[in-house]
Amino acid sequence: RKEVEQDPGPFNVPEGATVAFNCTYSNSASQSFFWYRQDCRKEPKLLMSVYSSGNEDGRFTAQLNRASQYISLLIRDSKLSDSATYLCVVNAISGGYQKVTFGTGTKLQVIP
Amino acid sequence: DTEVTQTPKHLVMGMTNKKSLKCEQHMGHRAMYWYKQKAKKPPELMFVYSYEKLSINESVPSRFSPECPNSSLLNLHLHALQPEDSALYLCASRSSGGGTGELFFGEGSRLTVL
Repeated sequence: RKEVEQDPGPFNVPEGATVAFNCTYSNSASQSFFWYRQDCRKEPKLLMSVYSSGNEDGRFTAQLNRASQYISLLIRDSKLSDSATYLCVVNAISGGYQKVTFGTGTKLQVIP
Repeated sequence: DTEVTQTPKHLVMGMTNKKSLKCEQHMGHRAMYWYKQKAKKPPELMFVYSYEKLSINESVPSRFSPECPNSSLLNLHLHALQPEDSALYLCASRSSGGGTGELFFGEGSRLTVL
C-alpha cells in the first residue's frame, strides 16, 4: 500500500461546480498535512495547511480525519483557473527525522 | 517569485558528462530537500539535509551525489546518468528538520540525459 494515496482523476467539472478530493495516508503517526497545487511544468505551491479542526480559505475547505486517516479538499464555485493537479502532502517521522511524502496527485479540469 | 532559487533551469547532458544542479535559499531554513519528478507523476523524495547533515537518502543510485556546503546551499552532482534520469529536479526547503511546516519549492531544473 502506498504511504499516501489519491484518486488520480481527472475530474472534469463545469465552472461553478463544487468538487471534493480525498487523500488517505497509512502512517498513523503522521503529524502535519497540506494540500499543494501544481500547474503543468511548474513547481508545487502550497494551497493550504490542513488542521484537525478543519479550515477554510475562501472557496477552499480542508478537513482532517485522524481516526480514518484521510484528508479532504473541497472547492466551491470552481473557476477555470482552478485547473491543476492537487497534491496531498503528509509529514511523518522516519528514522527520527521529518519525512515529507506526496500523494499521487489528483488532476482537476474545470470546463467552461 | 520563489524564495528558493535553482540553477540551471534547463540542462542537457550526455551519459558521460559530469554536471551539477544548484539550489539556494536565504530564508534561514535548516532543512533542504531534493525531489525528482517525472511527467504526470508526483515528486519523489531523493535526499533530505537537516542542519547541513544528510538525514535521509531514499536509496538513490550513487550517480547522484548530494552536497550541502552550508545552510543556504544545496548541490546535486550528476555523473554517468542514464536517459531514464531525465526529469524535473526540485529543491525545497523548510524551517527545520524537526518541524512540521510547509515546504518551499524552487522552480526546478529540467534535466535531459541523451
